[in-house]
Amino acid sequence: SQTIHQWPATLVQPVGSPLSLECTVEGTSNPNLYWYRQAAGRGLQLLFYSVGIGQISSEVPQNLSASRPQDRQFILSSKKLLLSDSGFYLCAWSLNSGNTIYFGEGSWLTVV
Amino acid sequence: DQQVKQNSPSLSVQEGRISILNCDYTNSMFDYFLWYKKYPAEGPTFLISISSIKDKNEDGRFTVFLNKSAKHLSLHIVPSQPGDSAVYFCAASALAGNNRKLIWGLGTSLAVNP
Repeated sequence: SQTIHQWPATLVQPVGSPLSLECTVEGTSNPNLYWYRQAAGRGLQLLFYSVGIGQISSEVPQNLSASRPQDRQFILSSKKLLLSDSGFYLCAWSLNSGNTIYFGEGSWLTVV
Repeated sequence: DQQVKQNSPSLSVQEGRISILNCDYTNSMFDYFLWYKKYPAEGPTFLISISSIKDKNEDGRFTVFLNKSAKHLSLHIVPSQPGDSAVYFCAASALAGNNRKLIWGLGTSLAVNP
């Protein structure tokens, strides 16, 4: 069966520091991968998605970037965090032809 | 412009009764709809889905109804249990070029009271 794991689960970072959140999927090949953010009291916002290695689509302009160095690895990064980057970040995957996406456990980021 | 709307931010129901969560959409190109359940500080978990060729899909205590003419879907939970207390997200899917796009509602927070 497929599993998705993201880390770290909780992160407190000062403004201006870098960020790296990692996500890996096991049990499937060539998945679509996603990074979402849920800001406090709001819905799910799609940040990036990837249909293959090195292929990244950005949904909203922002201070973050994503990379997919391997088929089942998706990384969310920032060179300099802003206070507004605080939130709950979710990695997700779906089959290439699938309708349903499956989420990781989430990572709480607090920028102070 | 919110293409998927969950107009009730919160809902409170007594244990054992029916919970009905509603979702409206505007884009007639949506052909697949999903419901997710989310506990605080956890990732959403997939609950149930329905294709636009159907008007009902049932899985245990969960039933999703789709009314295409009204562009409306609803999730029924019967009987409701305290463990169902969570935020429920409605999502709608449509083909966009070679990919599928998933559009999310803002969620409805369900509280099931013992």
